Amino acid sequence: GENVEQHPSTLSVQEGDSAVIKCTYSDSASNYFPWYKQELGKRPQLIIDIRSNVGEKKDQRIAVTLNKTAKHFSLHITETQPEDSAVYFCAASIGTGTASKLTFGTGTRLQVTL
Amino acid sequence: DADVTQTPRNRITKTGKRIMLECSQTKGHDRMYWYRQDPGLGLRLIYYSFDVKDINKGEISDGYSVSRQAQAKFSLSLESAIPNQTALYFCATSDPSGSGGNEQFFGPGTRLTVL
Repeated sequence: GENVEQHPSTLSVQEGDSAVIKCTYSDSASNYFPWYKQELGKRPQLIIDIRSNVGEKKDQRIAVTLNKTAKHFSLHITETQPEDSAVYFCAASIGTGTASKLTFGTGTRLQVTL
Repeated sequence: DADVTQTPRNRITKTGKRIMLECSQTKGHDRMYWYRQDPGLGLRLIYYSFDVKDINKGEISDGYSVSRQAQAKFSLSLESAIPNQTALYFCATSDPSGSGGNEQFFGPGTRLTVL
């Protein structure tokens, strides 16, 4: 089955700096890569996703890049703000029929300090 | 608002007890999932269902069972709870054919403690 590794497990940045979280996946057939944000005591929520036919996707201060050859994808947050503090999960899934069956990484706890 | 709800939100039980966690959704989604979250281990899939009566095992199904008797409801049971099943449990839904695409919508979670 698919295996997703995520690094780092914790990340502390100063407000205004950039943050990068990296994930690798094992199954070359994976074609959908979402990122979820989980604030303290809350449910995970999708913040951005990318499909394997796209190399990069941006949404305001967040962006995701995908390198299919190396089987890794990354989340980039620019101009970090205190409200960006949360746990971030990457995930990967395969195919159309099973597209909604996700394998998650172990999470990165991002702390944005003032 | 269409939503995903879970009951109970918190539960403390004893080893060997049978317990059921309930998930309901008003999103009209066909696909439903149960995950458990443990510190440092992320979200791991227990069971999933793509339609009523459709049940599929996830990566950590041992010790759990599920029931999908209606589109809106997906129940997770622990037949004989053990302490290492202490975790935060999330239900989620998705509708790949709808406007949400492959996005999974999570419930608020159930914190289960097995003593």
